[in-house]
Amino acid sequence: QKEVEQNSGPLSVPEGAIASLNCTYSDRGSQSFFWYRQYSGKSPELIMFIYSNGDKEDGRFTAQLNKASQYVSLLIRDSQPSDSATYLCAVNKGGTGGFKTIFGAGTRLFVKA
Amino acid sequence: EAGVAQSPRYKIIEKRQSVAFWCNPISGHATLYWYQQILGQGPKLLIQFQNNGVVDDSQLPKDRFSAERLKGVDSTLKIQPAKLEDSAVYLCASSREPDTQYFGPGTRLTVL
Repeated sequence: QKEVEQNSGPLSVPEGAIASLNCTYSDRGSQSFFWYRQYSGKSPELIMFIYSNGDKEDGRFTAQLNKASQYVSLLIRDSQPSDSATYLCAVNKGGTGGFKTIFGAGTRLFVKA
Repeated sequence: EAGVAQSPRYKIIEKRQSVAFWCNPISGHATLYWYQQILGQGPKLLIQFQNNGVVDDSQLPKDRFSAERLKGVDSTLKIQPAKLEDSAVYLCASSREPDTQYFGPGTRLTVL
C-alpha cells in the first residue's frame, strides 16, 4: 500500500464545473496535508494546506480533511482551462529527528473550454 | 524575496559519469530538501537538512549519491557514477517552518 494514494486520472471537466480531487494516506499519525499544483515542465507550487478536520476555503479552492477516514480532497469551483495541471497531494508525518513529507503521484486535471 | 535558485537547469551525461547540482534556498529558510521526480511520478524525498545537519536521508542511494549543506545555506547534490535510471528532475525546496515548502525550478538530468 502506498503511503499517499491518488487517482492518476486524467480527470476531465468542462469549464465552469467543479473539479474534485481525492487523496488517501496510510499513516494515522500524519499531521499536516498539502495540495500542490504542477504545470507540465514546471516545479510544484503550493495551493493550500490544512491541519484540522473539516473544510478550508481559499478563493475557488476548498480543501477537505477527514482524519478518521484518512482522506484529503481538493475542490476547484468554476474550473478554468488555466487550472489544467497535475495536482499533488502531500502529507507530513513525524519521523526521527523531525517530520517527513510524502507526495502522491498526482492527478492530472484537464479543464475543457 | 528571491526564490529558490538551482543550477544547472539541464544536464546531459553518459552513464558512469559524475554530476553535481547546486541549490541556494530562500534567505532565512533553515530546512532544505532535495527531491527526485521521475516522469509521471510525484517527488521523492532524497535528503532533508535542518541548517547543516541531516534530518532524513533514508531514501538516498548512498552508494552513488551524496549531498552536503555547508554553513547551513547552499547545498550540493552529487551523483557518482550515474546510471540510466537516474534520469529525472532534481528539485530543491526550502522552508522556514516545518510545513510550507517552496520549490526551485529543478534540474532536468538525462543519462545516456
